[in-house]
Amino acid sequence: GDSVTQMEGPVTLSEEAFLTINCTYTATGYPSLFWYVQYPGEGLQLLLKATKADDKGSNKGFEATYRKETTSFHLEKGSVQVSDSAVYFCALSDWGGSQGNLIFGKGTKLSVKP
Amino acid sequence: ETGVTQTPRHLVMGMTNKKSLKCEQHLGHNAMYWYKQSAKKPLELMFVYNFKEQTENNSVPSRFSPECPNSSHLFLHLHTLQPEDSALYLCASSQDPLLVTDTQYFGPGTRLTVL
Repeated sequence: GDSVTQMEGPVTLSEEAFLTINCTYTATGYPSLFWYVQYPGEGLQLLLKATKADDKGSNKGFEATYRKETTSFHLEKGSVQVSDSAVYFCALSDWGGSQGNLIFGKGTKLSVKP
Repeated sequence: ETGVTQTPRHLVMGMTNKKSLKCEQHLGHNAMYWYKQSAKKPLELMFVYNFKEQTENNSVPSRFSPECPNSSHLFLHLHTLQPEDSALYLCASSQDPLLVTDTQYFGPGTRLTVL
């Protein structure tokens, strides 16, 4: 079945460091891919998405490119801030899944130190 | 982000209580969802409603009873819960779950503690 694998956390970085959170997926069809962010004590917020191969999603300085050849959707940011400390979830939706079923990774906790 | 609201934000209940969680979406979407987020487990989809009709029930115990009176409101009625049901319950909405490009937008969640 479909699945999403994220790098294990926690990830601890200093402010202004470069961030990469790896995400790879397995899907039977042509999925859409998403990154969601969850700040402490809050729900999930959509960070960015890409709906077809080679699309790049971007928002708030974060970027991710849909790579069909490597089945990946890695999240990157050139210079992280303390306010980026949160849990990041990679997710996919696919025709092969049941209706409305987003497949989530386990989440990667990011801590940014001043 | 106030597109999807949930009340209450925190709830403590005993195992014999009956309570309800409420979700409201202001995005004009047609589908609404309930998810359960437990510590150290992936998000679990519980229920999906599309145009007020339940389309998914992922083997959720009957002590959880959803209700969707219209496309903007979703409830989760709780009764005789167990301590292992303590979790963050997230509501989401989207335009059309039949589209692979459909995007779900989440509320802030209700933190439920069952004593």
